[in-house]
Amino acid sequence: GAGVSQSPSNKVTEKGKDVELRCDPISGHTALYWYRQSLGQGLEFLIYFQGNSAPDKSGLPSDRFSAERTGGSVSTLTIQRTQQEDSAVYLCASSLGGSAEKLFFGSGTQLSVL
Amino acid sequence: GQSLEQPSEVTAVEGAIVQINCTYQTSGFYGLSWYQQHDGGAPTFLSYNALDGLEETGRFSSFLSRSDSYGYLLLQELQMKDSASYFCSSGRDDKIIFGKGTRLHILP
Repeated sequence: GAGVSQSPSNKVTEKGKDVELRCDPISGHTALYWYRQSLGQGLEFLIYFQGNSAPDKSGLPSDRFSAERTGGSVSTLTIQRTQQEDSAVYLCASSLGGSAEKLFFGSGTQLSVL
Repeated sequence: GQSLEQPSEVTAVEGAIVQINCTYQTSGFYGLSWYQQHDGGAPTFLSYNALDGLEETGRFSSFLSRSDSYGYLLLQELQMKDSASYFCSSGRDDKIIFGKGTRLHILP
């Protein structure tokens, strides 16, 4: 595709339910990042993939969060047993090779946990 | 640890020039990038400095001083559409971090 695609754009869920967020990066981009942004706040780093591997998962807020990437392309971020504090915009970004020079962001998934 | 500090808000007048500063503390240095984010939108890349000096891209310029661990984004001929949040960013590979963002308010 032309840009980074994220789905769903909005997700409303009940506390305790599991949710799955999807990111489809720009074709050919080997690096993929997940960030979380609360209203009016900065971007909190969650996880990075180079190809299918994530060297460091320590940025994930808790063990309820997990992420995977398959085929060096699509990535899913899963949040189990959602809590109200998980409500935020989840942004995905990709780049050619893990360079800090230029990240391309998707439009994000607005997650609301009731 | 790594951190990037920037002012939370800046106000300027339409047509004027404004500077948004960013000081950083990183283990190693891999360049400083700037992103713009409008309300409800995704961050979009504006500029990148790997070396000291000024990079100019139209009305936007970015400056870096590695000896001072400091950079800034300069916006000239401000337009109302420039009202947005601006983030500085640095890092490499396994961790690219962002400052908390500077909200730019533009007065007519």
